[in-house]
Amino acid sequence: SQKIEQNSEALNIQEGKTATLTCNYTNYSPAYLQWYRQDPGRGPVFLLLIRENEKEKRKERLKVTFDTTLKQSLFHITASQPADSATYLCALVSGYALNFGKGTSLLVTP
Amino acid sequence: DTGVSQDPRHKITKRGQNVTFRCDPISEHNRLYWYRQTLGQGPEFLTYFQNEAQLEKSRLLSDRFSAERPKGSFSTLEIQRTEQGDSAMYLCASSTTSGSWGNEQFFGPGTRLTVL
Repeated sequence: SQKIEQNSEALNIQEGKTATLTCNYTNYSPAYLQWYRQDPGRGPVFLLLIRENEKEKRKERLKVTFDTTLKQSLFHITASQPADSATYLCALVSGYALNFGKGTSLLVTP
Repeated sequence: DTGVSQDPRHKITKRGQNVTFRCDPISEHNRLYWYRQTLGQGPEFLTYFQNEAQLEKSRLLSDRFSAERPKGSFSTLEIQRTEQGDSAMYLCASSTTSGSWGNEQFFGPGTRLTVL
């Protein structure tokens, strides 16, 4: 069956450090992968999309890598700030559906 | 346009009652999705509309659930004979058909359902 696995443990890091979140998947052949941010009690907000032929994509302090051989995506936030504290979700398409991982909770402390 | 809106934001109901939620997508978006999210989990896909056509339904969408998008604009999700296991956040999202399938989805704030 198709699975999307993200770091099950919450990630606590100090302000200014780089946060690295992992997304592993099985039984998908995705043309692209998306990352979303979700704050408590709110809907997810789209951050980045990376296609299968792209190894890396950047947007401001965010960087995403996509390794279709390892079936893994890494999501990096550089120079992290307390305002980056949230849950981060990776998502893959299957048919018309967008399937999400459980998300990784990130806490950035001053 | 202020984004995707959902109504109500919160709904408390008793087991066995019917409930209906509404979603107003971004006006130029012809794709509309419903998801359900429980605590500690990511959103789970329920159903997808392209314009007024319901093109995909998840096996999670039991016979008690029905969704409509009658004029290809707003959508409703109805749950009949609610059960305590239906308690969750129900999220609506919309996107465009321009470009490839990789378009981002814009989510609403969700409707929090509590079944007592």
